[in-house]
Amino acid sequence: AAGVIQSPRHLIKEKRETATLKCYPIPRHDTVYWYQQGPGQDPQFLISFYEKMQSDKGSIPDRFSAQQFSDYHSELNMSSLELGDSALYFCASSLGNRVVETQYFGPGTRLLVL
Amino acid sequence: AQKITQTQPGMFVQEKEAVTLDCTYDTSDPSYGLFWYKQPSSGEMIFLIYQGSYDQQNATEGRYSLNFQKARKSANLVISASQLGDSAMYFCAMREGPNDMRFGAGTRLTVKP
Repeated sequence: AAGVIQSPRHLIKEKRETATLKCYPIPRHDTVYWYQQGPGQDPQFLISFYEKMQSDKGSIPDRFSAQQFSDYHSELNMSSLELGDSALYFCASSLGNRVVETQYFGPGTRLLVL
Repeated sequence: AQKITQTQPGMFVQEKEAVTLDCTYDTSDPSYGLFWYKQPSSGEMIFLIYQGSYDQQNATEGRYSLNFQKARKSANLVISASQLGDSAMYFCAMREGPNDMRFGAGTRLTVKP
Protein backbone atom coordinates (compact mmCIF):
# COMPACT_ATOMS: atom_id res chain seq x y z
CA ALA A 1 0.00 0.00 0.00
CA ALA A 2 1.13 3.52 -0.75
CA GLY A 3 2.54 5.45 2.16
CA VAL A 4 3.27 9.07 2.94
CA ILE A 5 6.22 10.36 0.94
CA GLN A 6 8.55 13.02 2.22
CA SER A 7 11.37 14.74 0.45
CA PRO A 8 14.16 15.26 0.90
CA ARG A 9 15.00 12.55 3.41
CA HIS A 10 18.09 14.38 4.61
CA LEU A 11 18.97 18.05 4.44
CA ILE A 12 21.96 20.03 5.62
CA LYS A 13 21.72 23.81 5.81
CA GLU A 14 23.70 26.68 7.24
CA LYS A 15 22.33 29.09 9.84
CA ARG A 16 20.09 31.79 8.39
CA GLU A 17 19.40 29.77 5.24
CA THR A 18 15.96 28.63 4.13
CA ALA A 19 14.61 25.12 3.63
CA THR A 20 11.53 23.63 2.03
CA LEU A 21 10.24 20.24 3.05
CA LYS A 22 7.68 18.43 0.91
CA CYS A 23 5.01 15.93 1.85
CA TYR A 24 2.85 13.77 -0.40
CA PRO A 25 -0.01 12.19 1.56
CA ILE A 26 -1.44 8.75 1.08
CA PRO A 27 -3.76 8.84 -1.98
CA ARG A 28 -7.26 10.08 -1.06
CA HIS A 29 -6.09 11.45 2.27
CA ASP A 30 -7.23 15.05 2.63
CA THR A 31 -5.58 16.00 5.91
CA VAL A 32 -1.89 16.65 6.46
CA TYR A 33 -0.02 17.26 9.70
CA TRP A 34 3.52 18.41 10.39
CA TYR A 35 5.51 17.41 13.47
CA GLN A 36 8.99 18.26 14.72
CA GLN A 37 10.96 15.73 16.76
CA GLY A 38 14.12 16.96 18.43
CA PRO A 39 16.85 14.50 19.47
CA GLY A 40 15.61 12.23 22.24
CA GLN A 41 12.23 13.94 22.34
CA ASP A 42 8.67 13.12 21.41
CA PRO A 43 7.13 14.62 18.26
CA GLN A 44 5.68 18.10 18.67
CA PHE A 45 2.73 19.17 16.55
CA LEU A 46 3.43 22.14 14.28
CA ILE A 47 0.51 22.69 11.94
CA SER A 48 -2.20 20.86 10.01
CA PHE A 49 -4.35 21.28 6.94
CA TYR A 50 -7.71 19.86 6.05
CA GLU A 51 -9.00 20.15 2.50
CA LYS A 52 -6.28 22.68 1.66
CA MET A 53 -7.16 25.00 4.53
CA GLN A 54 -5.12 25.42 7.70
CA SER A 55 -7.10 23.74 10.44
CA ASP A 56 -4.91 23.77 13.53
CA LYS A 57 -1.69 25.37 14.66
CA GLY A 58 0.70 24.17 17.32
CA SER A 59 4.17 25.25 18.32
CA ILE A 60 5.23 26.42 14.89
CA PRO A 61 7.71 29.32 14.92
CA ASP A 62 6.80 32.46 12.99
CA ARG A 63 9.81 31.77 10.77
CA PHE A 64 8.03 28.70 9.45
CA SER A 65 5.07 28.61 7.12
CA ALA A 66 3.23 25.84 5.37
CA GLN A 67 0.50 25.25 2.88
CA GLN A 68 -1.46 22.47 1.26
CA PHE A 69 -1.87 22.52 -2.49
CA SER A 70 -4.71 21.53 -4.78
CA ASP A 71 -3.27 18.02 -5.19
CA TYR A 72 -3.18 17.75 -1.36
CA HIS A 73 0.58 17.71 -1.10
CA SER A 74 2.02 20.05 1.49
CA GLU A 75 5.19 22.07 1.88
CA LEU A 76 6.81 23.35 5.06
CA ASN A 77 8.90 26.46 4.46
CA MET A 78 11.52 27.30 7.03
CA SER A 79 13.41 30.57 6.95
CA SER A 80 16.26 32.09 8.99
CA LEU A 81 17.23 28.64 10.15
CA GLU A 82 18.71 28.29 13.62
CA LEU A 83 20.83 25.56 15.15
CA GLY A 84 17.84 24.55 17.27
CA ASP A 85 15.83 23.75 14.17
CA SER A 86 17.93 20.63 13.69
CA ALA A 87 15.41 17.83 14.09
CA LEU A 88 13.45 15.11 12.40
CA TYR A 89 10.41 16.56 10.64
CA PHE A 90 7.48 14.28 10.09
CA CYS A 91 4.52 14.69 7.87
CA ALA A 92 1.45 12.57 8.57
CA SER A 93 -1.81 12.19 6.69
CA SER A 94 -5.30 10.95 7.42
CA LEU A 95 -8.60 10.53 5.66
CA GLY A 96 -10.68 13.20 7.33
CA ASN A 97 -9.77 15.05 10.48
CA ARG A 98 -12.07 13.48 13.04
CA VAL A 99 -10.59 12.36 16.32
CA VAL A 100 -10.98 8.71 15.33
CA GLU A 101 -8.88 9.04 12.19
CA THR A 102 -5.45 7.45 12.37
CA GLN A 103 -2.54 9.59 11.32
CA TYR A 104 -0.04 7.72 9.16
CA PHE A 105 3.46 9.09 9.28
CA GLY A 106 6.00 9.51 6.52
CA PRO A 107 9.63 8.46 6.95
CA GLY A 108 10.62 11.96 8.03
CA THR A 109 13.11 14.55 6.84
CA ARG A 110 16.23 14.80 8.93
CA LEU A 111 17.34 18.43 8.98
CA LEU A 112 20.76 19.43 10.22
CA VAL A 113 21.53 23.13 10.62
CA LEU A 114 25.22 23.97 10.89
CA ALA B 1 0.23 20.31 31.74
CA GLN B 2 1.39 16.92 30.52
CA LYS B 3 -1.52 15.17 28.90
CA ILE B 4 0.16 11.84 28.19
CA THR B 5 2.42 10.16 30.72
CA GLN B 6 4.68 7.23 30.05
CA THR B 7 6.45 6.44 33.29
CA GLN B 8 8.85 3.82 31.95
CA PRO B 9 11.80 5.40 30.14
CA GLY B 10 13.17 1.94 29.38
CA MET B 11 11.97 -1.62 29.54
CA PHE B 12 13.62 -4.99 28.98
CA VAL B 13 11.86 -8.19 28.00
CA GLN B 14 13.05 -11.66 27.15
CA GLU B 15 12.34 -12.86 23.65
CA LYS B 16 8.99 -14.71 23.36
CA GLU B 17 7.66 -13.21 26.59
CA ALA B 18 4.89 -10.62 26.90
CA VAL B 19 5.50 -7.04 27.98
CA THR B 20 3.23 -4.19 29.06
CA LEU B 21 4.09 -0.57 28.31
CA ASP B 22 2.24 1.90 30.51
CA CYS B 23 0.39 5.00 29.40
CA THR B 24 -1.88 7.31 31.36
CA TYR B 25 -3.65 10.34 29.98
CA ASP B 26 -5.52 13.38 31.14
CA THR B 27 -8.54 14.85 29.41
CA SER B 28 -11.95 16.24 30.21
CA ASP B 29 -13.20 15.76 26.65
CA PRO B 30 -15.56 12.77 26.40
CA SER B 31 -14.47 12.12 22.82
CA TYR B 32 -10.85 11.22 22.26
CA GLY B 33 -8.63 8.70 20.57
CA LEU B 34 -5.61 6.90 21.92
CA PHE B 35 -2.82 5.67 19.65
CA TRP B 36 0.40 3.74 19.98
CA TYR B 37 3.30 4.21 17.59
CA LYS B 38 6.58 2.37 17.26
CA GLN B 39 9.76 4.18 16.31
CA PRO B 40 12.71 1.92 15.43
CA SER B 41 16.24 3.26 15.39
CA SER B 42 15.81 4.05 11.70
CA GLY B 43 13.43 6.84 12.74
CA GLU B 44 10.11 6.15 11.06
CA MET B 45 6.88 6.29 13.08
CA ILE B 46 4.82 3.15 12.64
CA PHE B 47 1.16 3.07 13.68
CA LEU B 48 0.37 0.06 15.85
CA ILE B 49 -3.06 0.31 17.41
CA TYR B 50 -5.97 2.66 18.12
CA GLN B 51 -8.57 2.85 20.90
CA GLY B 52 -11.53 5.23 20.82
CA SER B 53 -12.98 6.63 24.02
CA TYR B 54 -16.39 5.17 23.21
CA ASP B 55 -15.10 1.75 22.27
CA GLN B 56 -16.49 -0.90 24.57
CA GLN B 57 -13.88 -3.52 23.83
CA ASN B 58 -10.11 -3.37 24.07
CA ALA B 59 -8.42 -2.99 20.71
CA THR B 60 -6.27 -5.81 19.35
CA GLU B 61 -4.01 -5.96 16.30
CA GLY B 62 -2.08 -9.19 15.93
CA ARG B 63 0.42 -9.40 18.79
CA TYR B 64 -0.57 -5.95 20.04
CA SER B 65 -3.44 -5.32 22.40
CA LEU B 66 -4.49 -2.26 24.31
CA ASN B 67 -5.56 -2.57 27.92
CA PHE B 68 -7.99 0.35 28.11
CA GLN B 69 -9.19 1.31 31.57
CA LYS B 70 -11.26 4.42 31.05
CA ALA B 71 -12.01 5.20 34.69
CA ARG B 72 -8.31 5.06 35.52
CA LYS B 73 -7.43 6.93 32.30
CA SER B 74 -4.90 4.36 31.27
CA ALA B 75 -4.19 2.78 27.89
CA ASN B 76 -1.40 0.28 28.30
CA LEU B 77 0.08 -1.51 25.31
CA VAL B 78 0.60 -5.24 25.64
CA ILE B 79 2.98 -6.95 23.24
CA SER B 80 2.75 -10.72 23.30
CA ALA B 81 5.46 -13.14 22.23
CA SER B 82 8.15 -10.46 21.94
CA GLN B 83 10.51 -10.61 19.00
CA LEU B 84 13.95 -9.08 18.55
CA GLY B 85 12.46 -6.76 15.95
CA ASP B 86 10.19 -5.27 18.60
CA SER B 87 13.16 -3.41 20.08
CA ALA B 88 12.29 0.24 19.50
CA MET B 89 10.91 3.39 21.06
CA TYR B 90 7.16 3.23 21.72
CA PHE B 91 5.02 6.34 21.93
CA CYS B 92 1.53 6.66 23.34
CA ALA B 93 -0.48 9.52 21.86
CA MET B 94 -3.88 11.09 22.37
CA ARG B 95 -6.07 13.13 20.10
CA GLU B 96 -8.88 15.24 21.58
CA GLY B 97 -9.76 17.72 18.90
CA PRO B 98 -9.91 17.18 15.18
CA ASN B 99 -6.22 17.74 14.67
CA ASP B 100 -3.75 18.10 17.48
CA MET B 101 -2.17 14.85 18.66
CA ARG B 102 -0.04 14.88 21.80
CA PHE B 103 2.64 12.31 22.46
CA GLY B 104 4.08 10.91 25.64
CA ALA B 105 7.82 10.91 26.26
CA GLY B 106 8.12 7.36 25.00
CA THR B 107 9.39 4.04 26.35
CA ARG B 108 12.47 2.38 24.91
CA LEU B 109 11.87 -1.36 24.72
CA THR B 110 14.78 -3.76 24.42
CA VAL B 111 14.10 -7.40 23.63
CA LYS B 112 16.83 -9.72 24.87
CA PRO B 113 17.60 -12.99 23.08
